[in-house]
Order: sequence, then C-alpha cells, then structure tokens
Amino acid sequence: DGGITQSPKYLFRKEGQNVTLSCEQNLNHDAMYWYRQDPGQGLRLIYYSQIVNDFQKGDIAEGYSVSREKKESFPLTVTSAQKNPTAFYLCASSIPSVGSEQFFGPGTRLTVL
Amino acid sequence: AQKVTQAQTEISVVEKEDVTLDCVYETRDTTYYLFWYKQPPSGELVFLIRRNSFDEQNEISGRYSWNFQKSTSSFNFTITASQVVDSAVYFCALSEGGYQKVTFGTGTKLQVIP
Repeated sequence: DGGITQSPKYLFRKEGQNVTLSCEQNLNHDAMYWYRQDPGQGLRLIYYSQIVNDFQKGDIAEGYSVSREKKESFPLTVTSAQKNPTAFYLCASSIPSVGSEQFFGPGTRLTVL
Repeated sequence: AQKVTQAQTEISVVEKEDVTLDCVYETRDTTYYLFWYKQPPSGELVFLIRRNSFDEQNEISGRYSWNFQKSTSSFNFTITASQVVDSAVYFCALSEGGYQKVTFGTGTKLQVIP
C-alpha cells in the first residue's frame, strides 16, 4: 500500500534536547511538507521541499531544520532553539502541481517535559 | 494575503441529522483552489474534495455535498444523514499562486451523537 509513515507516534523530549521526527513516503511524490498543528490554530507550514536536496522555509521555520537527501525521506529536527515545541507534527507529500491535493501521514505528537 | 475562516469551532448533532460546515475565504487571486480535509481521531488528514476557482458547480458524493459560491467567498460542506463515523475535525484549505502555499482554516470539530 502506498502512503506516508511517520515515527514515532509519541515522542517525549527534555528541554534543551534536539529531536528528529521521521517521515517516509512511497508515493513517488516530489514535494513534501512539514506542518505543525496546535489546538485551535489549524495547520501551519514549517518547511517544504520540492525536490531532493532542496527545501524552503514555511511560515514558522524558526527552531526547526530539515534535510532531503532522498526522494522518499524528509526528516524534521526540532532544535533546542524552538521555544514551544510541544505540538502535533504532520508530514505530507504531493505531486508538485498547482491544485494537487496533499497526502498526510498519521502524525507525531511531541511533548517537552 | 490569503485567509480561511471556519467560524464554527465545534458542532454536535444527533445521528441522522444534516449538518453544514461553513468555510469563508479571502484571496486576491483570480485562480485558486479550495479543499476540504477530514481529520479523524487517528490524526491523519484525509483529502475529501478539491474545487478550482473557475468551477462553481456544486458537487455531491454520497452523503457529502459542497456548495461553492464565489459571490460570498464561501465553500460550505454539508453532510446529510450524519453518522457516528463522520465524527472528526474538518479543515477547509485554500491554495493560490502555487501548490506549495496552502492556507488551512482552524478546523471544525464535528461530534455525531448516536
């Protein structure tokens, strides 16, 4: 079955630690995205990538970093510089075409202790 | 700047009732796309429908229907004869100027009570 996998489902982190969230897709999509979801705020774009070895900042990139070394993988690192990292993180992918829908993974819930 | 407003934060209905989820958008572009996604308790958003700005035809898919009105900048979603499985958070989204930039509304949480 084609789709997007994210791991882990739940993640706990101590303040001051960096943590990396995994996102893998087998849909052969060129475009991939990371969103952050907070209660009552909808989804906000952190980073997106249109092609391997290229990525762009979204609306809330501060305190986050990404890499895109392989087409199917787009890991997100939440650094200690992110002031309020506790949130639900969603990875998505799409065909890089105007009007194309996005396919989402099941998400990772990050809690900072 | 593009904006999507879903004024209804939470809605509760009794099973078999009809329910309409409102979506109002703002954009300066003449070419844009509107979407609805469903987020069940499992967390994964599921694509429901896409509509481009040049196609104002309403659409029906089973118990789901969508009403797109450019005159009022609205793209409302109606569920007929709601079922417990419809309980989820529903997001309206707007894409303009390129596929990368999608603005999501804050979502409407629908609870269908048996």
